[in-house]
Amino acid sequence: DAKTTQPPSMDCAEGRAANLPCNHSTISGNEYVYWYRQIHSQGPQYIIHGLKNNETNEMASLIITEDRKSSTLILPHATLRDTAVYYCIVRVGGSNYKLTFGKGTLLTVNP
Amino acid sequence: NAGVTQTPKFQVLKTGQSMTLQCAQDMNHNSMYWYRQDPGMGLRLIYYSASEGTTDKGEVPNGYNVSRLNKREFSLRLESAAPSQTSVYFCASSDRTTGNEQFFGPGTRLTVL
Repeated sequence: DAKTTQPPSMDCAEGRAANLPCNHSTISGNEYVYWYRQIHSQGPQYIIHGLKNNETNEMASLIITEDRKSSTLILPHATLRDTAVYYCIVRVGGSNYKLTFGKGTLLTVNP
Repeated sequence: NAGVTQTPKFQVLKTGQSMTLQCAQDMNHNSMYWYRQDPGMGLRLIYYSASEGTTDKGEVPNGYNVSRLNKREFSLRLESAAPSQTSVYFCASSDRTTGNEQFFGPGTRLTVL
């Protein structure tokens, strides 16, 4: 699975959009980009995933660059409850569902 | 649906003691996983079970054994606990048909003295 690079921490004002970057310059054509988050001491929670196209769900949007070497997770209106560690994970599809977690980005949403 | 449940929530062991961490899911998922998370680190995969009756090693399997008891339950055993196994242990499950997300339990916080 490709390696990812994320900033260790970011701040965001409540109500503003939070844009979390992830670099995955060695991504292969069959690898997906996944985002999970972990609110303090809880188990990780799936947010969104994508292969090539931008994706949106009720939680967030995922923007993947055309060359697929980087992506951005967007929380459109961050709340205090969005304070968490966000993990960007790249892995192949198919029946291998193992996830490799890095250290992620600690997003702090400030009032 | 309870989702993924883990027992116990907390445990303190002495070096050399053994214990089994229990995990159960009620989502009829085929795949189940055990991860550990050390302070300030991401999760690391210990073992996984792609389907009932199969288990495979992950990134850090040494010192652990697993049993996929049935489709619902996947246990993790520490035969002789060591201080290096002090960690938070998370169980997760997923399914081929949905395939895209792993559902995690609340974790077991284990301290080995």
